[in-house]
Amino acid sequence: AQRVTQPEKLLSVFKGAPVELKCNYSYSGSPELFWYVQYSRQRLQLLLRHISRESIKGFTADLNKGETSFHLKKPFAQEEDSAMYYCALSFNQGGKLIFGQGTELSVKP
Amino acid sequence: GAVVSQHPSWVICKSGTSVKIECRSLDFQATTMFWYRQFPKQSLMLMATSNEGSKATYEQGVEKDKFLINHASLTLSTLTVTSAHPEDSSFYICSARKSSYEQYFGPGTRLTVT
Repeated sequence: AQRVTQPEKLLSVFKGAPVELKCNYSYSGSPELFWYVQYSRQRLQLLLRHISRESIKGFTADLNKGETSFHLKKPFAQEEDSAMYYCALSFNQGGKLIFGQGTELSVKP
Repeated sequence: GAVVSQHPSWVICKSGTSVKIECRSLDFQATTMFWYRQFPKQSLMLMATSNEGSKATYEQGVEKDKFLINHASLTLSTLTVTSAHPEDSSFYICSARKSSYEQYFGPGTRLTVT
């Protein structure tokens, strides 16, 4: 079965420190991976998708098929990055998303 | 941009009654919408896929007779929680699919069943 695992429930770093939010998935085919972010009292919004290979708000994520991972990284965390981050997997053309448990990122001043 | 709205944003109902939640795509048409359930500080659990003009597809373990989904137009899907019980209290979120990779989420509806 398809599954997304985010091992860290909470990640706390200081402003300016590097941050890496881990995501591992299980799917035998070719998945499409996403990172979604939910700021306090706001709706879920797309941050990154692996196909676009772009950097958004300084965040990047690389799909590693060998390790079945899609970790989210930022070299210098900012206080405004504090939010819930969800890794998600789509495995068909229908758009259905399987979400990980989420990681709360807290960036301290 | 692409905006998805939900109504109501919060609702309190008595046990045994039914409540309807609307999900609208305001500036695009969506043949497919999704309904999720989210518990506090937890992940989103996909409940069902709503397809315009056809029956919804429910995920395993989700009671289709309890959670009625209707997708009558390209901009509106509704979720009706029938005979609600306190354990149905949750945050219900919808999303609307704009393209093969674009999916936009509503702000969510908090349901409290007393």
